[in-house]
Amino acid sequence: DAMVIQNPRYQVTQFGKPVTLSCSQTLNHNVMYWYQQKSSQAPKLLFHYYDKDFNNEADTPDNFQSRRPNTSFCFLDIRSPGLGDAAMYLCATSRDGRGTAKLFFGSGTQLSVL
Amino acid sequence: AQRVTQPEKLLSVFKGAPVELKCNYSYSGSPELFWYVQYSRQRLQLLLRHISRESIKGFTADLNKGETSFHLKKPFAQEEDSAMYYCALSSGSSNTGKLIFGQGTTLQVKP
Repeated sequence: DAMVIQNPRYQVTQFGKPVTLSCSQTLNHNVMYWYQQKSSQAPKLLFHYYDKDFNNEADTPDNFQSRRPNTSFCFLDIRSPGLGDAAMYLCATSRDGRGTAKLFFGSGTQLSVL
Repeated sequence: AQRVTQPEKLLSVFKGAPVELKCNYSYSGSPELFWYVQYSRQRLQLLLRHISRESIKGFTADLNKGETSFHLKKPFAQEEDSAMYYCALSSGSSNTGKLIFGQGTTLQVKP
């Protein structure tokens, strides 16, 4: 009964080789988020979609892109991964994006860059 | 700037002892505060939020605007409380629901 599903659980890529992480949800939530969490650090928001509207955080590198082809799916594209992009990537959803909203998280994708 | 600070990386207590995980925030408006928890090999999940004024699994947290704190407390710790705890802040007027997280505190409850 997983509600926010991230694939794969572990992803290994090479320096500079484009990689895509995927997230799907069965909750029919309006908002989907991508967080990056490096070792021993706080999860950091990269961007989010409110329906089809994309909202980038000011300090998210251009190397990171996202797509949301429909309500259920959201993708994180890293165009040219560097060693510093190795991290856990968390996808989350919320029903309506209100400030009081509960976020539902996926299990994350651990990205390694060789 | 919006910021959440959890000063302790690790808090280790014995079973039955009281627990307080500290959280301080910096925000100019009216924030919404949350505690999220991640048990071993599980996903991050909401524990409680200040607006609900609820007690979950024996945990409570009170928003103290004067001290800009939202400490998480439990009078008697259980071994199953061992986990990573994150304090998080959201803009109360936000229409995005995006959260700013603290760095987390690992709670270790020893038998």
